[in-house]
Amino acid sequence: AQTVTQSQPEMSVQEAETVTLSCTYDTSESDYYLFWYKQPPSRQMILVIRQEAYKQQNATENRFSVNFQKAAKSFSLKISDSQLGDAAMYFCARSSGGYQKVTFGIGTKLQVIP
Amino acid sequence: GAVVSQHPSWVICKSGTSVKIECRSLDFQATTMFWYRQFPKQSLMLMATSNEGSKATYEQGVEKDKFLINHASLTLSTLTVTSAHPEDSSFYICSASAQGAADTQYFGPGTRLTVL
Repeated sequence: AQTVTQSQPEMSVQEAETVTLSCTYDTSESDYYLFWYKQPPSRQMILVIRQEAYKQQNATENRFSVNFQKAAKSFSLKISDSQLGDAAMYFCARSSGGYQKVTFGIGTKLQVIP
Repeated sequence: GAVVSQHPSWVICKSGTSVKIECRSLDFQATTMFWYRQFPKQSLMLMATSNEGSKATYEQGVEKDKFLINHASLTLSTLTVTSAHPEDSSFYICSASAQGAADTQYFGPGTRLTVL
């Protein structure tokens, strides 16, 4: 089975500091998309950042950036200048099946300490 | 930004009854909608993918006769849980995208279903 693995069930970071969430995945496809989604206590899923596998340049979105290592099938998320509002579950996800669906990891719970 | 609504946000029903959940894309046309189920403290489990005007594609292990999905228009998809049982109690989330899974999925706020 093609999976998405998030090995950190929980992480914590001091406010204003930087934290990196890990994600590895398995795929036999050459073209696919990778995502990080955030789910706060409200349970509303919010897209944080998106990476197209054929692009070598790492995606960035304000304080959020990724380290995409295609050969290693690794897709980590770095959050800089962490804010209290960043506290949430973070899900790594990968498209598959010719872009027909998205597979999610089990999530990492991020706690931001004031 | 793209907004997806879900209705109802929560529902309680008796065992054996059917429940319909609506998912609407409010400001864009969704060629593809996805239905997920999320158990407490777990990830999202894809139940089915639906494209407007065609039959839904169900994931392995999901009973298509129990979870009826209709995607009648580019802005509306419905999930009907038929003959609900307590084990169907869960958090159901829909998402919509303009161009399938390659495009960003915009998620609804979810529906909490409790079957007594």
